[in-house]
Amino acid sequence: GAVVSQHPSWVICKSGTSVKIECRSLDFQATTMFWYRQFPKQSLMLMATSNEGSKATYEQGVEKDKFLINHASLTLSTLTVTSAHPEDSSFYICSARGRQLNTEAFFGQGTRLTVV
Amino acid sequence: AQTVTQSQPEMSVQEAETVTLSCTYDTSENNYYLFWYKQPPSRQMILVIRQEAYKQQNATENRFSVNFQKAAKSFSLKISDSQLGDTAMYFCAFMKQAGANNLFFGTGTRLTVIP
Repeated sequence: GAVVSQHPSWVICKSGTSVKIECRSLDFQATTMFWYRQFPKQSLMLMATSNEGSKATYEQGVEKDKFLINHASLTLSTLTVTSAHPEDSSFYICSARGRQLNTEAFFGQGTRLTVV
Repeated sequence: AQTVTQSQPEMSVQEAETVTLSCTYDTSENNYYLFWYKQPPSRQMILVIRQEAYKQQNATENRFSVNFQKAAKSFSLKISDSQLGDTAMYFCAFMKQAGANNLFFGTGTRLTVIP
């Protein structure tokens, strides 16, 4: 199957700093990428959808100025958590879908963010 | 809006036995896709099985099969000959065929296979 690589797998940062998470499709062109957030023992909550070359569409309640999403190429999307606070600590997962891949979305390994 | 409900937060099964995980969903769409994903302790999401709503035949992937009841909006997952490696969180998910095609996830079922 297609491979999606997410980096870093874990990160610890200080309050007030920004953190960038990368999501790369390694062997296909990802026309659409999705960013999810998962709290412990809970389900995945969609944060935003990004299409290559256009602005991301954010879900209700997700601050677009807080969670900056860039999808500048067909193989890379980034999520930047700006001015991070402890309540932003969570597990963030990206998934990607390509035109040639029918309906299946492939997931990255996830990033555990801890803000101290 | 689409909703996906998994009414079993936790389940356990003896190794080599069969277990069924429940999932119901609500939608006004006629064409859509349903999925079961597995999330082991590594947190990597793994696609287990997929069902197209227009297909009456239930999907099967080796030891995994589904019971898709479109009228009842039910989509259960049966795991046969359970193995220790099946221990994981299982999420049922829905996706519309047209338009915004993100996945809507259920709350998950934690499955433990007991040796």
